[in-house]
Amino acid sequence: GAGVSQSPSNKVTEKGKDVELRCDPISGHTALYWYRQSLGQGLEFLIYFQGNSAPDKSGLPSDRFSAERTGGSVSTLTIQRTQQEDSAVYLCASSDFTSGGKDTQYFGPGTRLTVL
Amino acid sequence: DAKTTQPPSMDCAEGRAANLPCNHSTISGNEYVYWYRQIHSQGPQYIIHGLKNNETNEMASLIITEDRKSSTLILPHATLRDTAVYYCIVRSYNTDKLIFGTGTRLQVFP
Repeated sequence: GAGVSQSPSNKVTEKGKDVELRCDPISGHTALYWYRQSLGQGLEFLIYFQGNSAPDKSGLPSDRFSAERTGGSVSTLTIQRTQQEDSAVYLCASSDFTSGGKDTQYFGPGTRLTVL
Repeated sequence: DAKTTQPPSMDCAEGRAANLPCNHSTISGNEYVYWYRQIHSQGPQYIIHGLKNNETNEMASLIITEDRKSSTLILPHATLRDTAVYYCIVRSYNTDKLIFGTGTRLQVFP
């Protein structure tokens, strides 16, 4: 397993329920990103973790969204009280962070979330 | 990050070169040009990036104009599997996230 993996691949939930999406980055990658892609739209940045630094949460759309990264590896994105507009594909990426804007982000296959 | 402008769609015959343009007229000196693509129902895939020199790898070539206000991604021999949405992204050295636009939908036909 050399790539970024995400689980589940598909998640259907009812409005108002909480969901957790998991990302396993490439081993050794210090940076981890979450994006989401609504139907027919481009990718929207959500949150970024780099090492032990405070995460960049500037893209989280509301306080219903949160994420954590335990032990500098696996990350969980949590959406509380889901709404229909949260339906999207949630993509995780990791990189071997290099200063100077040269690092390459490798994306997982995504989790397709459907809120009924 | 500087905004980029790409045509919404392009067609290319299989075996021919696909040349995908991108305008980034407000690019700054410390900003890199990245290209990613997204094949249907998959996560984005890194293709290539550059600062000011032309770059080539096993997937593609990147031609950046001397004034750096535009660039072209070249797939030298397009195949049906190259059908995807191609994103041109400008990214500064101190910005970590990628800001995706709407990209160019490339359709390679037999």
